[in-house]
Amino acid sequence: AQSVTQPDIHITVSEGASLELRCNYSYGATPYLFWYVQSPGQGLQLLLKYFSGDTLVQGIKGFEAEFKRSQSSFNLRKPSVHWSDAAEYFCAVGLYGGSQGNLIFGKGTKLSVKP
Amino acid sequence: GAVVSQHPSRVICKSGTSVKIECRSLDFQATTMFWYRQFPKQSLMLMATSNEGSKATYEQGVEKDKFLINHASLTLSTLTVTSAHPEDSSFYICSGDRVHFGSGTRLTVV
Repeated sequence: AQSVTQPDIHITVSEGASLELRCNYSYGATPYLFWYVQSPGQGLQLLLKYFSGDTLVQGIKGFEAEFKRSQSSFNLRKPSVHWSDAAEYFCAVGLYGGSQGNLIFGKGTKLSVKP
Repeated sequence: GAVVSQHPSRVICKSGTSVKIECRSLDFQATTMFWYRQFPKQSLMLMATSNEGSKATYEQGVEKDKFLINHASLTLSTLTVTSAHPEDSSFYICSGDRVHFGSGTRLTVV
């Protein structure tokens, strides 16, 4: 069965420090991978997605993610974290390509940013 | 870009009553709408997929008679929690596609 694992429940980083949020997936075919951010009490905002091609994907707000098939990973990175990045981050896998179809989400990683 | 408008954002209801949550696609035609549920400190779990003009598809373990879904038009899908109980308290989010999500509805049943 398809699944997404985010090993870190909560991460705290200092403002200006680099960030890496881990995501591992289990899926038999070509995965369609997504990262979302959720502020408290809000819906989800898409940060970036990977369907095919270049394995390093650039997203909004200075985020990027790298797809590594050999490690079944799609880790999210940001070189310098801002206080406004504090939120919950979800990795997800879609069963189909394109914009349609439901998603399977990881349990999320809460990011706290120290001043 | 396409927007999904979800209402209400928060609702408190008494146990035994019903609550309707609406999701509207404002500038695109949503033939399908996904309804997710998020428990505190948990991930989003797909509850059901609504299909315009036909019956919704429910995930295993989701009670069809409790969570009534209607998708009568290409711009509106509704989720009605019937005979709500405290254990139905949760955050409900709709999505017309993988990019656009509603802002969510916090349901509290007292």
